[in-house]
Amino acid sequence: QLVESGGGLVQPGGSLKLSCAASGFSFSNFWMTWARQAPGQGLEWVANINGDGSKIFYVDAVKGRFTISRDNAKSSLYLQMSSLRAEDTAVYYCARDNGHFSADFWGQGTRVTVSS
Amino acid sequence: QSALTQPASVSGSPGQSITISCTGTSSDVGGYNHVAWYQQHPGKAPKLMIYEVSDRPSGVSNRFSGSKSGNTASLIISGLQVEDEADYYCSSYATITTPAFVFGAGTKVTVL
Repeated sequence: QLVESGGGLVQPGGSLKLSCAASGFSFSNFWMTWARQAPGQGLEWVANINGDGSKIFYVDAVKGRFTISRDNAKSSLYLQMSSLRAEDTAVYYCARDNGHFSADFWGQGTRVTVSS
Repeated sequence: QSALTQPASVSGSPGQSITISCTGTSSDVGGYNHVAWYQQHPGKAPKLMIYEVSDRPSGVSNRFSGSKSGNTASLIISGLQVEDEADYYCSSYATITTPAFVFGAGTKVTVL
């Protein structure tokens, strides 16, 4: 199970930290992913991180503004978002990578709204 | 990273077969067998239906199948059922400047 939290309303230029609590599997053994979906739009991959946190990749649109991290002792995934823009408004999902370049378990998402 | 190209909508009658295409480039779909398909019902999280072009996760109906030719991948839904009405997204591993994943814009499947 994956449960996201931390979403909400934030002003442009502000910051927000999303969390994803994992349970039911050996968290440290899996790459994890953040993806997002803007209102009425399609899915967009945001970032992913390997099991020990040593490999991290971002979509160009968030590089330098977002930081993905994990705490394997707490089975938790995080997304620190800063310098937020209106175009970052979306439902943010955390997902488990299945080792085959795809995500086999998804959380229900947490909504982030960037607006003044 | 550019989105993959999918038709906006596809429709079919119950029992029919439909195909959803997903066109990319040699840097993503054409360069790797790392294409996946996701089903998303309104207000719900995505569900993995196909991975590695044509593999089905446990529990996914064998009415769903995938294939790839060149830069275009396809999802085939056979024996269309009412519950198949949903949005479908393709995704692919991609390498341009750094490793990444790209999604298609999504295809709305309507069961007539």
